[in-house]
Amino acid sequence: QVQLQESGPGLVKPSQTLSLTCTVSGGSVNSGSYSWSWIRQPAGKGLEWIGRISSTGSTNYNPSLMSRVTISVDTSKNQFSLKLSSVTAADTAIYYCARAWDWYYYYFDYWGQGALVTVSS
Amino acid sequence: EIVLTQSPGTLSLSPGERATLSCRASQSVSSSNLAWYQQKPGQAPRLLIYGASSRATGIPDRFSGSGSGTDFTLTISRLEPEDFAVYSCQQYGSSPCTFGQGTKLEIK
Repeated sequence: QVQLQESGPGLVKPSQTLSLTCTVSGGSVNSGSYSWSWIRQPAGKGLEWIGRISSTGSTNYNPSLMSRVTISVDTSKNQFSLKLSSVTAADTAIYYCARAWDWYYYYFDYWGQGALVTVSS
Repeated sequence: EIVLTQSPGTLSLSPGERATLSCRASQSVSSSNLAWYQQKPGQAPRLLIYGASSRATGIPDRFSGSGSGTDFTLTISRLEPEDFAVYSCQQYGSSPCTFGQGTKLEIK
């Protein structure tokens, strides 16, 4: 059974960089055709896809966030990570990591439990 | 990007009743690349349907999806107490993938 777990600071100051890591267990980040995404959800609102990375390191970002987002993968630790720079209060949300079936059919079959990140001074 | 609009915003029904949830896209979703998720308070979304009509592993057959183009429907044939939750649709036919704002299914 694949499991994903987000980790990182729960509080980030405005203008700083939000950093989160997703640790994958029960499967490998560099196996098969899976892709690995970050998705966020502000309180009481809908889901927003942030971006994804393939097992080979190819990335694809939401144009609305592209200038501030970097997603990377560390196959030795079976982890992938999110960095979001120049954060504001509008970036306060629950951040989920998720696995997609493959690069083209990227519906999400496994999700982490979510990590609440608050942007505040 | 494709905007998904879900209706109704809230649906109040009783256990045993049939639920019909709608997801309308601002442009055609290619190859019926549409998924449905269920989300309960404090939990991550759970994949129910992909490819507009294929049930994910372990999903009961009371959940069914249909539709193509710009109009998609999630039907729950007979509501069980555990089905009351928020349901969201997602299109992955074009990048960026996008989600609807959700329909809250509440107990009447």
